[in-house]
Amino acid sequence: GDSVTQMEGPVTLSEEAFLTINCTYTATGYPSLFWYVQYPGEGLQLLLKATKADDKGSNKGFEATYRKETTSFHLEKGSVQVSDSAVYFCALSDRNTGNQFYFGTGTSLTVIP
Amino acid sequence: KAGVTQTPRYLIKTRGQQVTLSCSPISGHRSVSWYQQTPGQGLQFLFEYFSETQRNKGNFPGRFSGRQFSNSRSEMNVSTLELGDSALYLCASSLEWLTDTQYFGPGTRLTVL
Repeated sequence: GDSVTQMEGPVTLSEEAFLTINCTYTATGYPSLFWYVQYPGEGLQLLLKATKADDKGSNKGFEATYRKETTSFHLEKGSVQVSDSAVYFCALSDRNTGNQFYFGTGTSLTVIP
Repeated sequence: KAGVTQTPRYLIKTRGQQVTLSCSPISGHRSVSWYQQTPGQGLQFLFEYFSETQRNKGNFPGRFSGRQFSNSRSEMNVSTLELGDSALYLCASSLEWLTDTQYFGPGTRLTVL
């Protein structure tokens, strides 16, 4: 079945460092891919999404490119801020292979000044 | 447009009691899903409602139930509470399908003593 695997955390970075959070997926069809962010004490917020191969999603300085050849959707940001400290979830949905929305286990990011 | 709202935000119950959580989706969204989030199990899908009918269901016991009203508002009920039911319960809404972009509410933090 479909699934999402993302890198284990926690990740600790200094302010202005480069961020990469790896996400790979398994899907038999052509899924849509998402990154969600959860700040402490809050629900999940959609950060960005991509619906087909080679699409790049971007928002608030974060980017992720849908790579079908490597089945990946890695999250990147060139210069992180303390306010980016949160838990990041990779997710996929594929209506063609089942009406499901799959989430990764989440990666906790802490940015220190 | 107002986001997904959930009430109450916090609840404390004792074992054996029952609880009802409420969710109001984004206006125009017809699909409402519920998730349980715990540190050990991560995000787990409970069920999805569309047009007042349960359309998808996760692997939770029958103590967990829900319903949806004609205005798309949804409630979730947990009967005979157990200590392990302590969690953050998240509601998400989407336009038509579970596989459409999910928009989350802030969650209800349930503590079972």
